[in-house]
Amino acid sequence: EVQLVESGGGLVQPGGSLRLSCAVSGFTFSNYLMSWVRQAPGKGLEWVANIDQDGNEKLYVGSVMGRFTVSRDNAKNSLFLHMNSLTAEDTAVYYCARESSAPLTRAFDIWGQGTAVTVSS
Amino acid sequence: QLVLTQSPSASASLGASVKLTCTLSSGHSSYAIAWHQQHPEKGPRYLMNVKRDGTYTKGDGVPDRFSGSSSGAERHLTISSLQSEDEADYYCQTWGTGIRVFGGGTKLTVL
Repeated sequence: EVQLVESGGGLVQPGGSLRLSCAVSGFTFSNYLMSWVRQAPGKGLEWVANIDQDGNEKLYVGSVMGRFTVSRDNAKNSLFLHMNSLTAEDTAVYYCARESSAPLTRAFDIWGQGTAVTVSS
Repeated sequence: QLVLTQSPSASASLGASVKLTCTLSSGHSSYAIAWHQQHPEKGPRYLMNVKRDGTYTKGDGVPDRFSGSSSGAERHLTISSLQSEDEADYYCQTWGTGIRVFGGGTKLTVL
């Protein structure tokens, strides 16, 4: 069964750090680009970052650039999001998502169930 | 700037059909998009990919009631024979060089 399982969310104080993990199973992880997407309470989906198959190319939305770092461990079928200098605006459910390998397509074709991050004092 | 525009809400009766629209910003009318469904307190689910020419490819297990189409800069998701479980938020998504973009989402109410 194809599965993405996020973990690592929780309550953190403003200015703090957190590391999210996404455990992957059911497909060859190293063949796929992977993304993090977040959803603030009551809001829509927002793409946060992605990473290529080898972990060499990374992209970020402007609001997290310099504060968040995406990484992966293909040997352990795991995706990570290191978040620093957190603010209340980072409060959201964070989802990991697989990007389709179909030609010319970067649709998110598999999603995790999400992990909630709350930034508050 | 690559932007996707969706109506915030839509409604239709049980058993009827509904067509949701996602509009690509000026200069991006050739882009393909994806549709995702999200029930409250759940993770999103990939429904399909819709190309410029209207062809679409559905994800695994997506019912036949769901179909896609295109017209100019608009990409559509049509749900026929609406069922109560179709009540959800629907998001379109696209991609460009160095960017991934979501529309604001449409909340579908099944009456």
